[in-house]
Amino acid sequence: SYDLTQPPSVSVSPGQTASITCSGDKLGDKYVCWYQQKPGQSPVLVIYQNNKWPSGVPERFYGSNSGNTATLTISGTQSMDEADYYCQTWDSNTVVFGGGTKLTVL
Amino acid sequence: QVQLQESGPGLVKPSGTLSLTCGVSGGSIRSTFWWSWVRLPPGKGLEWIGEISHNGKTNYNPSLKSRVTILLDKSKNQFSLELSSVTAADTAIYYCARDSRELLGPWGQGTLVTVSS
Repeated sequence: SYDLTQPPSVSVSPGQTASITCSGDKLGDKYVCWYQQKPGQSPVLVIYQNNKWPSGVPERFYGSNSGNTATLTISGTQSMDEADYYCQTWDSNTVVFGGGTKLTVL
Repeated sequence: QVQLQESGPGLVKPSGTLSLTCGVSGGSIRSTFWWSWVRLPPGKGLEWIGEISHNGKTNYNPSLKSRVTILLDKSKNQFSLELSSVTAADTAIYYCARDSRELLGPWGQGTLVTVSS
């Protein structure tokens, strides 16, 4: 089965840039999505097809994907960005999620 | 605007079968999408359970495949999940979502299912 690896946690100061990585074999050959999930809420799509923004998502959320690593970058991080973030791709007709990264803004 | 809504029992006994339904409104389940089930166990990450296509083809998470059945009900514009032989490890918030193979969304609000006697 295909695995996606994320760091369990990332910390950032308000106004600074946060980067969350997602690693998988030849991940750059696949499309990657990123979801934000806050406690008690459903996941919210913040990036799709590696670097596209859904309607309503601010452009300070930026996605990239190359080689074996996809990265979600959040510039000018705000307290409202504190959440769990999951990367996701498709492999052999299955949906694969990364283990999730807890972003703490402090 | 398409909306999804999960429904079903919030409590299931160990060794029993978990059964949930996802109602689709604002769009047809016959449209060319995949319809997925995802769960969030307490303290853990998102886990994809499986999916069904508009024409009934299914794909399942290999780790759950032996216990999972996903069905389509075109007459009611809904799809369902059955998970057999449940244990406490199946306690989770269960979500349904539409998969366009570009993204998963929209998502339902989720429903908590607890496995306990």
